[in-house]
Amino acid sequence: DIQMTQSPSSVSASVGDRVTITCRASQGIYSWLAWYQQKPGQAPNLLIYAASSLQSGVPSRFSGSGSGTDFTLTISSLQPEDFATYYCLQTNTFPLTFGGGTRVEI
Amino acid sequence: QLQLQESGPGLVKPSETLSLTCTVSGGSLSNTDYYWGWIRQPPGKGLEWIGVVYSSGNTYYSPSLQSRVTISVDTSKNQFSLRLTSVTAADTAIYYCARLRYYFDRGGPNSDFDYWGQGTLVTVSS
Repeated sequence: DIQMTQSPSSVSASVGDRVTITCRASQGIYSWLAWYQQKPGQAPNLLIYAASSLQSGVPSRFSGSGSGTDFTLTISSLQPEDFATYYCLQTNTFPLTFGGGTRVEI
Repeated sequence: QLQLQESGPGLVKPSETLSLTCTVSGGSLSNTDYYWGWIRQPPGKGLEWIGVVYSSGNTYYSPSLQSRVTISVDTSKNQFSLRLTSVTAADTAIYYCARLRYYFDRGGPNSDFDYWGQGTLVTVSS
């Protein structure tokens, strides 16, 4: 199975800050990686697909990069509505695996 | 607009079988570009992939759950279902159904879960 190691597990930030979250795969997954945002009481919402493509309707302050084993989600200027938990997901190989999550808090 | 809706009992006794159904509207389960899947989330914890099913009935499961899980599809009803046997308190979670899409991006294949149901809490308790 491919393990997804996500870091940090939590980050404290302020409105306007630049926030970076990383995911490392235990083996190469090309660009088969997606990023999700989850707010309390809601289902996960797709932000980034294919490692770096912005899902329709997602603000441009979100961006993704990386390929192979190392991936990054960046929020360029944190907004109040961005305080949430973020997950990466690899879909290169079954079983699919999520990262452990990163909680972005004030 | 595609919508997915989970349904099923919110309370299951230990050692019994958890059964959930996901009803899909606004799209067809027979579409060959998609798998249909289940993901769960224990209270306060992260996301865990359970498995997926294709319209043909082909399935992939999490190795940790494979001995207890069955995912099936009923294209005539536009529904797919999850069965998890011999449940324990560790199976208490919010269960989500979702669509796994396959597509080409920048010349290469890829996939992700793009549509999700709202989730349903299943508690395992006597």
